[in-house]
Amino acid sequence: DTAVSQTPKYLVTQMGNDKSIKCEQNLGHDTMYWYKQDSKKFLKIMFSYNNKELIINETVPNRFSPKSPDKAHLNLHINSLELGDSAVYFCASTTTGGAYEQYFGPGTRLTVT
Amino acid sequence: GQQVMQIPQYQHVQEGEDFTTYCNSSTTLSNIQWYKQRPGGHPVFLIQLVKSGEVKKQKRLTFQFGEAKKNSSLHITATQTTDVGTYFCAVNTGNQFYFGTGTSLTVIP
Repeated sequence: DTAVSQTPKYLVTQMGNDKSIKCEQNLGHDTMYWYKQDSKKFLKIMFSYNNKELIINETVPNRFSPKSPDKAHLNLHINSLELGDSAVYFCASTTTGGAYEQYFGPGTRLTVT
Repeated sequence: GQQVMQIPQYQHVQEGEDFTTYCNSSTTLSNIQWYKQRPGGHPVFLIQLVKSGEVKKQKRLTFQFGEAKKNSSLHITATQTTDVGTYFCAVNTGNQFYFGTGTSLTVIP
């Protein structure tokens, strides 16, 4: 059973398009995250979200928006894609209220042409 | 936000040599976590340290938390090709995670 799943695994699209990446976790966690990992392997947090609070990294362009239909899902929607958006995007989840570890999804490699 | 610096950024070692990566912060940390990301994979949790001066071992891996809780290290004894990957330290502040810049380890057979 996959704990944190993401779809699609690969996404190739053209500049200006709008796309979504889906994430689901079956761990019963209450907080989910989106990270962007560039070619240098830096892991940059984009959003953290639980049923009470959305925390946005202020450096993330407002073309990026998280959407959470329920506690087990946190999708990432990206408008007007740009070349610089090409990266691997990871979804992750954890339980808050303590120093618990994060569980990561397999990642979505986004290529914007 | 929390700043966590990691060194070195890259390390190439001959198989059988030891390897160490260091994580440093200018502020006192409540905890430190370590993750490993294999090439093409996703970060996977290895361990968490919370106490000052804490040392934990997992087979050939030794994790240490500094006395002042401002730094941490991961040491691998006698590296193997299966150790290849990027190692990240991370701090959990309760509802936010701050990842170090990572150390990419290459093991030459």
